[in-house]
Amino acid sequence: AQSVTQLDSQVPVFEEAPVELRCNYSSSVSVYLFWYVQYPNQGLQLLLKYLSGSTLVKGINGFEAEFNKSQTSFHLRKPSVHISDTAEYFCAVSDRRETSGSRLTFGEGTQLTVNP
Amino acid sequence: KAGVTQTPRYLIKTRGQQVTLSCSPISGHRSVSWYQQTPGQGLQFLFEYFSETQRNKGNFPGRFSGRQFSNSRSEMNVSTLELGDSALYLCASSILGGSEQYFGPGTRLTVT
Repeated sequence: AQSVTQLDSQVPVFEEAPVELRCNYSSSVSVYLFWYVQYPNQGLQLLLKYLSGSTLVKGINGFEAEFNKSQTSFHLRKPSVHISDTAEYFCAVSDRRETSGSRLTFGEGTQLTVNP
Repeated sequence: KAGVTQTPRYLIKTRGQQVTLSCSPISGHRSVSWYQQTPGQGLQFLFEYFSETQRNKGNFPGRFSGRQFSNSRSEMNVSTLELGDSALYLCASSILGGSEQYFGPGTRLTVT
């Protein structure tokens, strides 16, 4: 079984400031890691993913995340945020074993609010 | 390529009724998963279908069921609706499963 903890439920920042959204996970098996974004009244959009290889992954809209296996973390960062980045962000994991299918386990979400 | 589509987008039902939601995956995707999103419980996995077979199931009562057709389209059904079933129901598709999933816009179900 897996669990995901997003350490901040709300993160307010000013426009053009850097931001970090924190995510820790727990799993007894090897996992894939994802960040999704949800704008109001919409579904989830995949921001970035870690499947294998380099632990620093780059996604859309200037976001990046770093996988830290020893700390079981997958924090999301952006060096300079825009008003349009205001949204809810979800960290998620899935079991790497093909027989386990596509079940995603999500964190509780972090509401990022970018103020002018 | 068209994304994941879900119909209807909004639905209002009365307690005790049943409801069927539909999901069409991205062309070529064979895995379809369903999730329930509520303010209190967050995003919870309902079930996954792959090649018309349920491959994975979350911790929901038997009132929640689903199926997948040969063209990979999927439906989920909720019988004997309860007020607590009010939620955003999200469908996601992936090529093989275990890799990234792409989500539809969701169906907002309100039970009165």
